[in-house]
Amino acid sequence: DQQVKQNSPSLSVQEGRISILNCDYTNSMFDYFLWYKKYPAEGPTFLISISSIKDKNEDGRFTVFLNKSAKHLSLHIVPSQPGDSAVYFCAASATNQGGKLIFGQGTELSVKP
Amino acid sequence: KAGVTQTPRYLIKTRGQQVTLSCSPISGHRSVSWYQQTPGQGLQFLFEYFSETQRNKGNFPGRFSGRQFSNSRSEMNVSTLELGDSALYLCASSFEQLSYNEQFFGPGTRLTVL
Repeated sequence: DQQVKQNSPSLSVQEGRISILNCDYTNSMFDYFLWYKKYPAEGPTFLISISSIKDKNEDGRFTVFLNKSAKHLSLHIVPSQPGDSAVYFCAASATNQGGKLIFGQGTELSVKP
Repeated sequence: KAGVTQTPRYLIKTRGQQVTLSCSPISGHRSVSWYQQTPGQGLQFLFEYFSETQRNKGNFPGRFSGRQFSNSRSEMNVSTLELGDSALYLCASSFEQLSYNEQFFGPGTRLTVL
């Protein structure tokens, strides 16, 4: 039972263009969502998060959008840079579950120069 | 400030053996969580410890266990290893056991079971 899904295993984008990574969830108890970035041989690194009371959160080139009715969130990277090439994981948590994160399968982003 | 450290980084074991992995959280962090990453299943939550008590547990068999010490360092143990236990085991620490607290991950321990 995959509660958090990233349906695109990979995405290729040209440098300078927008990268859009998508994530769907099924559990309506989730109230906090996070995006992590992972390079090979390293642990995931926190990128950006959003609470369920918001529909958008922005941090520099990164913006996360949340559509609660559709149980969908997306990460926009503008402009994309070659250094953004990594695996991106979407994660969700619920207030009554402490620090337990439920991760999606990940999307491998490749930004080509 | 030093990040989350995990030891060992790589480990090779054979079926039936047991293994202990160690995690040192960021100084001042009291919550430690463990995750298993495999190509087929992605990152899956194993358990979370806070103040030496297990607060949350994922859907893993009893062969997987853990503990946390008074200095917040944590260990996880896997007994009677199976081939399917081959994975990257990640530890994450956060200041509190709260869903909105940012979790900082270590580099992981790569376990190979032969």
